[in-house]
Amino acid sequence: AQSVTQLDSQVPVFEEAPVELRCNYSSSVSVYLFWYVQYPNQGLQLLLKYLSGSTLVKGINGFEAEFNKSQTSFHLRKPSVHISDTAEYFCAVTYSGGGADGLTFGKGTHLIIQP
Amino acid sequence: NAGVTQTPKFQVLKTGQSMTLQCAQDMNHEYMSWYRQDPGMGLRLIHYSVGAGITDQGEVPNGYNVSRSTTEDFPLRLLSAAPSQTSVYFCASSERDAQGVRLAKNIQYFGAGTRLSVL
Repeated sequence: AQSVTQLDSQVPVFEEAPVELRCNYSSSVSVYLFWYVQYPNQGLQLLLKYLSGSTLVKGINGFEAEFNKSQTSFHLRKPSVHISDTAEYFCAVTYSGGGADGLTFGKGTHLIIQP
Repeated sequence: NAGVTQTPKFQVLKTGQSMTLQCAQDMNHEYMSWYRQDPGMGLRLIHYSVGAGITDQGEVPNGYNVSRSTTEDFPLRLLSAAPSQTSVYFCASSERDAQGVRLAKNIQYFGAGTRLSVL
């Protein structure tokens, strides 16, 4: 079974500052990793995903994440945030061998952008 | 292209009442699933389906029933609502491979959610 730990429940950041949202996972098997974003009163939208290959993954809206297998981490970063980035961010993992079960999500990190 | 559509958006129930949360997708996805989202808990899988006529339990299935009579629809039923089922419910869909399982690398598309309160 897999598990995901998002180390910060809330991250306040000033507009145009850089941000890092931390995610660590635990799994005894090979996994795929995802970051989803949830804007207020909306469903989840995929930001980016890591399947294989380059450990630096670029996503939408200027976000990127780096897969670190030795540290079992998949931290999300953005060099300069905007007010519109205020949202809940979820890290998720799933077994890479396929299978019918769903994603295992972290508890989420609320990104608060301060003007 | 509507994607994944959930109805209703909001619902208030009394303890013991029953209701069905509707989910429909127009992307011809074989795989569909239901999650519940609770504060500080992230999303947890309730039930999923790999195709019409096939359903299975996820992490938190108790108190919920599902059926999948068509590829497009995957309703979630609460037979006797309890306050512990107050939550936001999300339906999701994704593609599957020829063997009938969800390809792990595929994106899951989420609906906008149903906010349910049980008094």
